Amino acid sequence: EAQVTQNPRYLITVTGKKLTVTCSQNMNHEYMSWYRQDPGLGLRQIYYSMNVEVTDKGDVPEGYKVSRKEKRNFPLILESPSPNQTSLYFCASSRFFGGPYEQYFGPGTRLTVT
Amino acid sequence: KQEVTQIPAALSVPEGENLVLNCSFTDSAIYNLQWFRQDPGKGLTSLLLIQSSQREQTSGRLNASLDKSSGRSTLYIAASQPGDSATYLCAGAGNTPLVFGKGTRLSVIA
Repeated sequence: EAQVTQNPRYLITVTGKKLTVTCSQNMNHEYMSWYRQDPGLGLRQIYYSMNVEVTDKGDVPEGYKVSRKEKRNFPLILESPSPNQTSLYFCASSRFFGGPYEQYFGPGTRLTVT
Repeated sequence: KQEVTQIPAALSVPEGENLVLNCSFTDSAIYNLQWFRQDPGKGLTSLLLIQSSQREQTSGRLNASLDKSSGRSTLYIAASQPGDSATYLCAGAGNTPLVFGKGTRLSVIA
């Protein structure tokens, strides 16, 4: 089954404790991205990657890091989480960047930083 | 920069009614427009994808249209049911990363 998986699904942590949210897709997609969703602000893109070793900032990259060492994986790293990073996070992938390609979304990770 | 707007922000209708959700975008140079459904606190379910060369797509009771010249897309839901209650999001993809509207929260009252 074609899918995007994220782990963990729920995470409660404390300020300053480094964490990683994993994202993996099994569709051999080149394009992957991370979004956060907040009430009243909608979905905003954090980072995206057009291929292995190619990443770029989205609209709200501050406080986040990403890496793309393999095509299937695109982890999101919060090196020193803060309460304003409490949010619902989604990973997404599509065959290529741009073009008429459908975006596939993971189930989401709900992060709470206290 | 692409901006996507959805009006209204919330909509409440009685069961059985046909309804239309609106989505407008500022940059007509889009490759496709995608409609999603999101239940509270849950993930995004892709409903329909309209490519720029198409004018509409249908899936069951759902029909989505795209008019690039006017910068508009609509999602038509026929014979609405309480199970259709959710937030509906549209998103446009072009030479920039996917841009989302803030959604329309739909309540279908039995």
